Amino acid sequence: AQSVTQLGSHVSVSEGALVLLRCNYSSSVPPYLFWYVQYPNQGLQLLLKYTTGATLVKGINGFEAEFKKSETSFHLTKPSAHMSDAAEYFCAVSDTFRSGNTGKLIFGQGTTLQVKP
Amino acid sequence: DTAVSQTPKYLVTQMGNDKSIKCEQNLGHDTMYWYKQDSKKFLKIMFSYNNKELIINETVPNRFSPKSPDKAHLNLHINSLELGDSAVYFCASSLNRGYEQFFGPGTRLTVL
Repeated sequence: AQSVTQLGSHVSVSEGALVLLRCNYSSSVPPYLFWYVQYPNQGLQLLLKYTTGATLVKGINGFEAEFKKSETSFHLTKPSAHMSDAAEYFCAVSDTFRSGNTGKLIFGQGTTLQVKP
Repeated sequence: DTAVSQTPKYLVTQMGNDKSIKCEQNLGHDTMYWYKQDSKKFLKIMFSYNNKELIINETVPNRFSPKSPDKAHLNLHINSLELGDSAVYFCASSLNRGYEQFFGPGTRLTVL
C-alpha cells in the first residue's frame, strides 16, 4: 500500500525567504510523485511531477522538488517566497502505469504555507 | 475553455434528500475521478472511470453512485444525504491511468 506523510501542517516564512515543504512517501512499486497547490476556494493545480528520469524536477512559479529514493522523500522548495505563494500544498503518490494499476492519487494531509510581509 | 468543470459550485440541502453533482472535461481524457475533501482538507479518492468502465470503487457508502454516460462526463449521485456527507467534492481527469490529473473547481456540499 502507498502512503504519503507531509511533515508540518503549517509552515510560515517571510517574504523572500526559502520555502521548504517536506514530503515522505511509502510505496512498494516505483512511484509517481506530485505536488499540487490549492488556493482558497479553488481546485488543485499541479505544481510539478516526478515519473522517471531526472530526479530534480522543476515546476511552475519557481518551485522545484527532488526525488530521493534512499530517503523516500520528495521535498518541495522555492528559493524566495512571494506573498502569492500562500496556499495549501499537497504531496501525492500514484502507482506507475502498468496493467492492473489504477493510477489513483494518495494524498498527504496538506501543508498550509503562510508568507509574512 | 474550462478544462474540467463541475456543477453546481455550491449545494445546500436537507438531510435525507437526493442530489447529483455533474462533471465534464473537454480535454479528451480517458480517465475521470471523484475525490472528497473533508473539513480538515484531507483528500481521498472515491471513484474512477476509465473509458466509461469503473476501475476504482473505494470504501464508500452505497448511497454514492457514480455514472459515466460517456468519456467526457462523470456524475455523482448521492441518496439519503447525511450530515457527514458535507464536504468539497472534486472531479478530476487524466489522459489515462497514472498520468497527471487535472482538477475541477470543486462542489461544496452542505447538508443541514
